[in-house]
Amino acid sequence: EDQVTQSPEALRLQEGESSSLNCSYTVSGLRGLFWYRQDPGKGPEFLFTLYSAGEEKEKERLKATLTKKESFLHITAPKPEDSATYLCAVQVQGGSEKLVFGKGTKLTVNP
Amino acid sequence: DSGVTQTPKHLITATGQRVTLRCSPRSGDLSVYWYQQSLDQGLQFLIHYYNGEERAKGNILERFSAQQFPDLHSELNLSSLELGDSALYFCASSVYDRDTEAFFGQGTRLTVV
Repeated sequence: EDQVTQSPEALRLQEGESSSLNCSYTVSGLRGLFWYRQDPGKGPEFLFTLYSAGEEKEKERLKATLTKKESFLHITAPKPEDSATYLCAVQVQGGSEKLVFGKGTKLTVNP
Repeated sequence: DSGVTQTPKHLITATGQRVTLRCSPRSGDLSVYWYQQSLDQGLQFLIHYYNGEERAKGNILERFSAQQFPDLHSELNLSSLELGDSALYFCASSVYDRDTEAFFGQGTRLTVV
């Protein structure tokens, strides 16, 4: 069964304190790995798609990387407005186009 | 704003009732996906439609059904509602049926009392 595990479940940082969120996955074949940001009571907001090991993408203070077993979302010098739940999802080869989501990492950045 | 519109935003109904959730995808998007998000389960895939045809089903209960209309909007019908059906229901849309990111609506919060 395809599985996505995110760690930690929750993370508290001080403003400016860089860190990384982890997403490990077990799938029969990876078509793509997606990162989303979700604010309370809102829909997930698309951040990145990664397709192959070694690929990296950046957007402002966020950088996503991908290996054959896991992905990292690096947050550099975070600000309070980066506080949200970050969701990782995979799309599997040969199957439907559905996304299999992890349970997310709730990030809180204190000023 | 993702461009995906869901109505209603909130819905409170009694057990045993039936409700319909509506989703209008982004202009030009042919694929519509429905997801359920509860506190303990996270986001769970329910069903995918592409250009009016059902493409994939997840763990969708038999009491739930969906369709995509010729104008590409979609409806999710939930019947014989139970307390455990209380959740956020999200619709997402994408351009093609594979390999493209999906954009999510703001969700419908369903409360069954």
